[in-house]
Amino acid sequence: QKEVEQNSGPLSVPEGAIASLNCTYSDRGSQSFFWYRQYSGKSPELIMFIYSNGDKEDGRFTAQLNKASQYVSLLIRDSQPSDSATYLCAARGIIQGAQKLVFGQGTRLTINP
Amino acid sequence: NAGVMQNPRHLVRRRGQEARLRCSPMKGHSHVYWYRQLPEEGLKFMVYLQKENIIDESGMPKERFSAEFPKEGPSILRIQQVVRGDSAAYFCASSPLGGHLSSNYGYTFGSGTRLTVV
Repeated sequence: QKEVEQNSGPLSVPEGAIASLNCTYSDRGSQSFFWYRQYSGKSPELIMFIYSNGDKEDGRFTAQLNKASQYVSLLIRDSQPSDSATYLCAARGIIQGAQKLVFGQGTRLTINP
Repeated sequence: NAGVMQNPRHLVRRRGQEARLRCSPMKGHSHVYWYRQLPEEGLKFMVYLQKENIIDESGMPKERFSAEFPKEGPSILRIQQVVRGDSAAYFCASSPLGGHLSSNYGYTFGSGTRLTVV
């Protein structure tokens, strides 16, 4: 079982709609969770992090965390073509004896004009 | 304030040669992480270093790969006798703190080194 799992997509969403990206993790010791955006050929850039159960909003982005279900999601409202990218979910905690970020395989999102 | 600096951006090596990838963390960051990304895949953890110490190398292949972060200078990821399967993007990230109390800090990534083995 992978430590962090994402649907690899591609996920296609019309412009202006809500894009919903999901992530599950296996290690209950994970303490905080991160969403990175990666454009093709570029490095990952941090969008949001969350460590408490519930929702966290930042502009058009909302991260949701449910520790009981070991589930993290990212909602993008009013999707724009510039949101088209691969979104990487990461969990941070003591994993295999040392703290580090463990990434999922990423979900490729395409916003259709 | 410069971000995480990686060089070279692109590196071409013939099979059997050595590849050296460099990473200078952000100012004030003392923790460095190396990740590898194969085409169409996520980031795979390789190694976590602090100055003069390897903290976790559980993601490093046992042979041909080594990493260091000396007291002075950048962190170096070294791949000896490269093979075609080593072709990938190698990303370095840094953070200001590495322990439990910093668990809410994300990493800042460099622009990566794209290694091509021919």
